[in-house]
Formats: sequence, C-alpha cells, structure tokens
Amino acid sequence: NAGVTQTPKFQVLKTGQSMTLQCAQDMNHEYMSWYRQDPGMGLRLIHYSVGAGITDQGEVPNGYNVSRSTTEDFPLRLLSAAPSQTSVYFCASHFTGGDTGELFFGEGSRLTVL
Amino acid sequence: AQSVAQPEDQVKVAEGNPLTVKCTYSVSGNPYLFWYVQYPNRGLQFLLKYITGDNLVKGSYGFEAEFNKSQTSFHLKKPSALVSDSALYFCAVRDIGGSNDYKLSFGAGTTVTVRA
Repeated sequence: NAGVTQTPKFQVLKTGQSMTLQCAQDMNHEYMSWYRQDPGMGLRLIHYSVGAGITDQGEVPNGYNVSRSTTEDFPLRLLSAAPSQTSVYFCASHFTGGDTGELFFGEGSRLTVL
Repeated sequence: AQSVAQPEDQVKVAEGNPLTVKCTYSVSGNPYLFWYVQYPNRGLQFLLKYITGDNLVKGSYGFEAEFNKSQTSFHLKKPSALVSDSALYFCAVRDIGGSNDYKLSFGAGTTVTVRA
C-alpha cells in the first residue's frame, strides 16, 4: 500500500516556466488537497477537492491550478512560476465519511524558482 | 472561519523531563483536533486526534493531548521526553458544522528540541 505519492521530490524552475506536481493516492480517499509549507507560516491550503470533478480554492490559490479527473490523482499546476512560489509542497488525502478525518501526507516536493 | 494558534515557536526541554506543546483553536461549529509531527525532510505524520468523548487522548510514541473546551485548547504532552522527539509539531483543526468542514487548518508549528 503506497499511500500518497508525490513527484518530483525536487525541482528547480526559472521564472515564467510552467510545471505540474503530481499526486496520487491508492486509499480511495474522496478528499485530496495541496498545501505549501513556508518557514514560520505552517501549512497553508492551496486547493482542495472533495471528489472527482470537484475542486475549490484554499487560502493561497493564486498562481496555481488543479483538476480532479479521477479519485486517485490530483495534480497541481504552476502556469508561470514566480520566486514567491519557492516552497515545499505537500499533497494530502483523507476519507470524508465517518469519524476519521486525519490527513495522510506525501513526502513533499521541494520547488525552487530562480 | 477556523484558525489555530501555536503560541511558542520553540520549546526546549531536557531528556526525561515533561514536554508540553501548546495549541489553541477557533471554530464556529464543533472541532476535530489533530497533532502531527514532521521530522527533517519528511512529510507530516499523524500523532493523535480528538473527535469526541474523553478529553484526554492518547496517541503514538507516548504522546497524549488534553481537549479543553472552555479554554479552546488542545495541548500536546509527553511525560518523559526523548532526544528522538526533537521535531516540528503541528496542531490542526477541522470545523465540523462550519462553512466547509472538510478543510483542515494548521498552526504555524512548534520546533521541539530535546537535549541529552
């Protein structure tokens, strides 16, 4: 059982380049989300999805796009990278039913924008 | 809107001493509360949660947390800290019954250092 898998683990971009961070989970979780982690600011929610075909914005959505065509995959797209998007990105998922609710996290993707 | 505050950026204790990491929250509905730990260059790992019932919750690695509704707090505790407990700790809340109760909001994190 792989859990939540993120790729790539490391990426360096130049300003204006585009890229996609991949996230896949094999736990059949309805809810998936993307966070960015910056020193002293904790984790901030970028976008989230409560099921295939449904996405919504979090606290810091500007500069990022997402889609959810399948239950398993939730890619995060940077259309035109900016130095302010240098961060560590985490994908996470959980069940929406029952009393569980704890998030399962990927190992993170460290992005540097020059 | 839901929010979480971790008032201490850093906590330092000697090995064998009690460890407390503080967390307060704000929600409009009922809280589901969580603690996560992050070791260097790793993702977040779930430690424990409060959903309902007993205010004292026990979790992984000997950690426990006490839910206090009147003080809107959920402090993490360990009776005897180990050097291996040195890590970054995050408190998080879901606002059940709020405008979007799927979302999890995190505090800024507290760095715990346990010295030998």
